[in-house]
Amino acid sequence: GQQVMQIPQYQHVQEGEDFTTYCNSSTTLSNIQWYKQRPGGHPVFLIQLVKSGEVKKQKRLTFQFGEAKKNSSLHITATQTTDVGTYFCAQTEYGNKLVFGAGTILRVKS
Amino acid sequence: DTAVSQTPKYLVTQMGNDKSIKCEQNLGHDTMYWYKQDSKKFLKIMFSYNNKELIINETVPNRFSPKSPDKAHLNLHINSLELGDSAVYFCASSQHTKGEQFFGPGTRLTVL
Repeated sequence: GQQVMQIPQYQHVQEGEDFTTYCNSSTTLSNIQWYKQRPGGHPVFLIQLVKSGEVKKQKRLTFQFGEAKKNSSLHITATQTTDVGTYFCAQTEYGNKLVFGAGTILRVKS
Repeated sequence: DTAVSQTPKYLVTQMGNDKSIKCEQNLGHDTMYWYKQDSKKFLKIMFSYNNKELIINETVPNRFSPKSPDKAHLNLHINSLELGDSAVYFCASSQHTKGEQFFGPGTRLTVL
């Protein structure tokens, strides 16, 4: 099956700095979902992107889907300590099978 | 009023034992899933059921057997537990075979 590559694996930022995680695929994606998992918690759905070039915002979070639908990014402006966790992108295959990226672990220093 | 619940939350057991994890969702969803998350946080789907019918069965040892008695429940039985089975197991559900998935709190399985 297809795989999405997610980078970076880990990022440690100062509170107030921005953060970005990227997902890349060698093939065209039908859509991409983003999830957040707090330490010790479970994955929580953030958003789904479907259209080429789509940009969606949720407060300080900005999600983008590339024009070729082969890459996506999640950008957090002015990180806060509540942003800590692991951010996963996931592509859907048949039967709503979610194939997750490896995740980016975000740590925020206050 | 937990949407997706799992029991137990923690499970510590000896190698060779048989154990079950239960999952229930009260969202009225048609599709349920089991995922395994290893120590490196990598999430991988194991099984998916749609209306009590198995639709996804990844390359998982046949020691793992899912069972869906009805649309709201999906249980996971594991025979002859091995050290490598230690992980966090997440149940999830979705309204159809597309769209966002709602995850349960997870069951941390430790095999000694």
